[in-house]
Amino acid sequence: EVDLVESGGGLVQPGGSLRLSCAASGFTFSSYWMTWVRRAPGKGLEWVANIGHDGSAKKYLDSVKGRFTISRDNAKNSLYLQMNSLRAEDTAVYYCAKTVIYGYDSWGQGTLVTVSS
Amino acid sequence: DIVMTQSPDSLAVSLGERATINCKSSQSVLDNSNNKDNLVWYQQKPGQPPKRLVYWASTRESGVPDRFSGSGSGTDFTLTISSLQAEDVAVYYCHQGFSAPYTFGQGTKLEIK
Repeated sequence: EVDLVESGGGLVQPGGSLRLSCAASGFTFSSYWMTWVRRAPGKGLEWVANIGHDGSAKKYLDSVKGRFTISRDNAKNSLYLQMNSLRAEDTAVYYCAKTVIYGYDSWGQGTLVTVSS
Repeated sequence: DIVMTQSPDSLAVSLGERATINCKSSQSVLDNSNNKDNLVWYQQKPGQPPKRLVYWASTRESGVPDRFSGSGSGTDFTLTISSLQAEDVAVYYCHQGFSAPYTFGQGTKLEIK
C-alpha cells in the first residue's frame, strides 16, 4: 500500500526558511515523478512544483521560482521542498503526491506551513 | 497559463438527486500523443487530502462508486453525481495535467439541501 508522510511544517516569520520532507513507501519511488501541491486557508488547490523520477527535470509555479527548490533522494525514498524567503501568501497545507501521466494517484495527509510574525 | 473555471462555486442538492459540476479550460487539454484529454477530477473532504475520482476526463478511478461520472472534451468538461449520497459532501476540483503550471479549478463546494 502506498504511503506518503509529510513533515517539516510549522510557524515561521516572513523571510524565513523551512524544509519540507515527504517519506514514501509501498511503491518504487525512483520510478515516479513527484509533486508538491498546496491549499491555502479558505482557498483551492495550487500546484507548486514537480520533479522527474531521477531528479533531473524540475518545474515550478512562477510565484515560488527562485525561492523554493524541489529535490529528492531515491536512496532514502524521500522528496523535499526547500522554502526560502517565505511570504504570508505561502501559508498553506502542503501535500506531496505520487504523480502519473493522468494525475496524482496518491497523496499524503499534508503538513501545515504558517508564515506570520 | 491554462485557466480552469468551474461552475458553480457552490451547490446544494437533495439526497438522491443529481449533482452536476462544470469545468471549462481556457485552451484545449487534448494530449495528441494518445488522443486523450488530460483532465482530472478530485474530491476533497474536510481534513483529508484530495482523492482522484476521474482521469482522462471520463475514466473512473478503481473503487470509485459508479454514481460518479466524467464527460466532455476539448475545453468543456462535466462531473456528474447521479444520486447524491451524504458521504459525497466535499469540495470538487478539476485539474489539467497538460501543461505547466498544472492548474486547478477554484473548486465547487457540494452540500446537502
